[in-house]
Amino acid sequence: SYVLTQPPSVSVAPGKTARITCGGHNIGSKGVHWYQQKPGQAPVMVIYYDRDRPSGIPERFSGSTSGNTATLTISRVEVGDEADYHCQVWDSSSDWVFGGGTILTVL
Amino acid sequence: QVQLVQSGAEVKKPGASVKVSCKASGYTFTDYPIHWVRQAPGQRLEWMGYIKAGNGDTKYSQRFQGRVTITRDTSATTGYMELSSLRSEDTALYFCARGGNGWYELAYWGRGTQVTVSS
Repeated sequence: SYVLTQPPSVSVAPGKTARITCGGHNIGSKGVHWYQQKPGQAPVMVIYYDRDRPSGIPERFSGSTSGNTATLTISRVEVGDEADYHCQVWDSSSDWVFGGGTILTVL
Repeated sequence: QVQLVQSGAEVKKPGASVKVSCKASGYTFTDYPIHWVRQAPGQRLEWMGYIKAGNGDTKYSQRFQGRVTITRDTSATTGYMELSSLRSEDTALYFCARGGNGWYELAYWGRGTQVTVSS
């Protein structure tokens, strides 16, 4: 089965740049999607197909992939960006697969 | 705007079944699939299956095959997920999510339904 690996937590100061990684075999050949999850709220898709941003998502959110790693980058981080972030791909052997999630803390 | 409104929290005994609903609005219901994803305490999100709202075709995760049934009512624009033979490990937050235009992304999500399995 296909496995996605994320760091459990990332900390960043307000106004700085946060980078959350998602590792998986040859992930660069798959479409990677990212979701923001805040307690008690519906998860929100912030990036789809590696780097596309849904309408309403700030330009501060961007995505990239290279080789075995996908990265969600949040520029000029705000306190309101504190959340869990999950990456997801589709794999022919495992269908919809999620990473373990990364807690973003804004110090 | 797209909204997915899920039914309320459930408490079930081991061996029982639970059926969670997901009322969709703000788009043409039959144009997109409805997925079900769960998150047990301290665990990652886990995909359970989906239904094509247009023709009712379903696909289930191997992990839940035989225990999960996903249905929909097009007249009510509502999707349903029924999980049977519940055990304590099924205690989790259950989400419905709508597929996106590209098929593989989950573009909109409900807020989740807490299901607790306890004797």
